Amino acid sequence: KNEVEQSPQNLTAQEGEFITINCSYSVGISALHWLQQHPGGGIVSLFMLSSGKKKHGRLIATINIQEKHSSLHITASHPRDSAVYICAVGPGGGADGLTFGKGTHLIIQP
Amino acid sequence: SQTIHQWPATLVQPVGSPLSLECTVEGTSNPNLYWYRQAAGRGLQLLFYSVGIGQISSEVPQNLSASRPQDWQFILSSKKLLLSDSGFYLCAWSVASPLHFGNGTRLTVT
Repeated sequence: KNEVEQSPQNLTAQEGEFITINCSYSVGISALHWLQQHPGGGIVSLFMLSSGKKKHGRLIATINIQEKHSSLHITASHPRDSAVYICAVGPGGGADGLTFGKGTHLIIQP
Repeated sequence: SQTIHQWPATLVQPVGSPLSLECTVEGTSNPNLYWYRQAAGRGLQLLFYSVGIGQISSEVPQNLSASRPQDWQFILSSKKLLLSDSGFYLCAWSVASPLHFGNGTRLTVT
């Protein structure tokens, strides 16, 4: 079973700062997901990646398959980015084998 | 466009009472459907997934069950709730990838 570790567990930053959230896993995978959970509990899928880098707006996700590590970056952070960010990894394309990290609680202060 | 509906949003039930949470998906055919639970301080845990009508796979032995009577409908049930069943329950769907989550049900068993 894959072990997924996220760091930091909690992060408080000022508006405008560059944010990095890390995810490490123990067993080789085919896909890694980054999810955003809002204070109300709803979850949105941000990225699914299996290699390299993806960018969407101010969010950038990278993965290093050899090092079993992924990072989620937020540029020009804003209070509306405050949420829990969850990393999930899977052995294949399906979601049934996903292992989830415990999440990183991000607070962006104005 | 595809939408996922999950209800109720919050639920308080006494120990020993039955449970029925419903999830429906619109705008897509033959989706994979998932029930997850998020306990306080823990990562998302897959409870059940379904690849088609009447096809249910259970990931965790427990007093919960799931059914998929229609292609677009996924139901999580229990005959007798335990205190340990308290948590945040999320329904999700996918066709290939990525995952799309409902808004969740916060269940408190008293």
